[in-house]
Amino acid sequence: DIQLTQSPSSVSASVGDRVTIACRASHHINIWLAWYQQKPGKAPKVLIYDASNLRSGVPSRFSGSGSGTVFTLTISSLQPEDFGTYYCQQANSFPLTFGGGTKVEIK
Amino acid sequence: EVQLVESGGGSVQPGGSLRLSCAASGFTFSNYWMHWVRQAPGKGLVWVSRISSDRKTISYADSVKGRFTISRDNAKNTLYLQMDNLRAEDTAVYYCARGTSTWWFDYWGQGTLLTVSS
Repeated sequence: DIQLTQSPSSVSASVGDRVTIACRASHHINIWLAWYQQKPGKAPKVLIYDASNLRSGVPSRFSGSGSGTVFTLTISSLQPEDFGTYYCQQANSFPLTFGGGTKVEIK
Repeated sequence: EVQLVESGGGSVQPGGSLRLSCAASGFTFSNYWMHWVRQAPGKGLVWVSRISSDRKTISYADSVKGRFTISRDNAKNTLYLQMDNLRAEDTAVYYCARGTSTWWFDYWGQGTLLTVSS
């Protein structure tokens, strides 16, 4: 199985800050990676797919990059509504797997 | 509007069984792969199972293989997860999710909670 390691596990940042979350895969997964945002008590919502494609309706302050084994999700200017936990998911092979999550808090 | 609505969760004793349902609307259900993903309380997301649009391809996570059965009724626009021989570690919110051609999930249900406890 492909393991995904996210870092940091949590981050506290101020409104307007740039936030970067990393996701490292245990095996090469090309560009087959998605990013999700989950708020407490809610289902996850996809932000980025195929490593760098912004899901329709997602604000442009979210961006994704990377290929192979190293990926990043960047929030260019953190907004109050961006709190929550962010997960990466590899879509290269089954079983599909998720990273452990990064909790984003607003200072 | 795409909607996925899970039901059937509840409390069951270890060794028991339960069937979850996911009612789909707002899209042509029979054209899409569907998945179950679960999340234990306070933990991360774990993929559980998938089924192809034509029901010919099915796969499971090792942790549920032999105990869980995924199925679908395209005439009723409904996805199912039959869960047998339940264990405490199956306690989780279970989400159904619509799959895409590159294996990410574009729509999720609100989830249904399964608690396995004596």
